Amino acid sequence: EAQVTQNPRYLITVTGKKLTVTCSQNMNHEYMSWYRQDPGLGLRQIYYSMNVEVTDKGDVPEGYKVSRKEKRNFPLILESPSPNQTSLYFCASSAAGSNEKLFFGSGTQLSVL
Amino acid sequence: AQSVAQPEDQVNVAEGNPLTVKCTYSVSGNPYLFWYVQYPNRGLQFLLKYITGDNLVKGSYGFEAEFNKSQTSFHLKKPSALVSDSALYFCAVRDAGRRALTFGSGTRLQVQP
Repeated sequence: EAQVTQNPRYLITVTGKKLTVTCSQNMNHEYMSWYRQDPGLGLRQIYYSMNVEVTDKGDVPEGYKVSRKEKRNFPLILESPSPNQTSLYFCASSAAGSNEKLFFGSGTQLSVL
Repeated sequence: AQSVAQPEDQVNVAEGNPLTVKCTYSVSGNPYLFWYVQYPNRGLQFLLKYITGDNLVKGSYGFEAEFNKSQTSFHLKKPSALVSDSALYFCAVRDAGRRALTFGSGTRLQVQP
């Protein structure tokens, strides 16, 4: 089954404790992206990747890092989480040239205390 | 810069009645327009897109959207609402010269039996 898999589904952590949210897709998609969803603000793009070793900042990249060492994986790293990063995070992928039929993961609800 | 506005936080409609969820956009070039739906505790799912061609676009689950260039709008419509259509709907836009999508803040559709 074609899918985007995020882990964990829920995460509670404390300020300053480094964490990684994993994202993996099994559709051989070139494009992958991370969004955060906050009430009243919709989805805002954090980082995206056009292909392996190619990443770029989205609209709200501060406080986040990503890497794309393999085509299927696109982890999101919070080196020193802060309470304002409490949010619902989504990973998404699409095939190059598909004009953004994005496939989304089920989301990661992060709470930073 | 590209932007999208969904002026209604919530739309209420009775089952069997037609529904409209509004979306207006702003881009500097030609727009690529999308609608996504989010059911509770799920990631977003693609509904439909407009790239070029016919101004009336048909998508999944009986939904359609009308592109109006003069009014810079891309409203989502369905002739007869179902209770199961109750969900959060997001409009998204991309300028033809950019890769990143910009999402609206979302509209919650509530269909009453």
